[in-house]
Amino acid sequence: QVQLKETGPGLVQPTQTLSITCTVSGFSLTSYYMQWVRQTPGKGLEWMGFIRSGGSTEYNSEFKSRLSISRDTSKNQVFLKMNSLKTEDTGVYYCARDPITTPFDYWGQGVMVTVSS
Amino acid sequence: DIQMTQSPSFLSASVGERVTLSCKASQNINKYLDWYQQKLGEAPKLLIYNTNNLHTGIPSRFSGSGSGTDYTLTISSLQPEDVATYFCLQRNSWPLTFGSGTKLEIK
Repeated sequence: QVQLKETGPGLVQPTQTLSITCTVSGFSLTSYYMQWVRQTPGKGLEWMGFIRSGGSTEYNSEFKSRLSISRDTSKNQVFLKMNSLKTEDTGVYYCARDPITTPFDYWGQGVMVTVSS
Repeated sequence: DIQMTQSPSFLSASVGERVTLSCKASQNINKYLDWYQQKLGEAPKLLIYNTNNLHTGIPSRFSGSGSGTDYTLTISSLQPEDVATYFCLQRNSWPLTFGSGTKLEIK
């Protein structure tokens, strides 16, 4: 069955880089877009960006200068990297599958990230 | 960016009651409006996509309607398991934007 699971560091210091991995099973990354969404106390749910089935990416301009999304199809993994972290980046980060026809149909459980010194 | 405004922020209703949640966009979103349900401690779950299409496995008591800038999620007969926060999402244009949510509880 379709499964997505995010893994990440939990605690990151301000100004450092966040790296989160989304490991999927039950489908191929070459057939679906993969989205990243975060949920913060300050701004609620925010769309961050996505990687297409072909490998190209789109980002929310709010994050564009510090956000990178990539993947390793052989490992069924999608990666989010965001640099220059601030305390306001504290929140839960989700990956979600996007079949295009029915948006964001499966989500990971989310990974809590705290930005603090 | 398109702003999505949900109302009310909080709603308390009785089991069996018909409930209506609203989502208003700051500009026409051409029916590219989805509804998600988020229970405490869980990821959002897709209920309705493109205004009125019920996602697979979602009970038929959930329905959506709207056009232009104004959209509605209706629960025809509220059930105890519907306690959650409901979010709308516009996919008409980038950046995709979510509403701030309506928290629904049982009276």
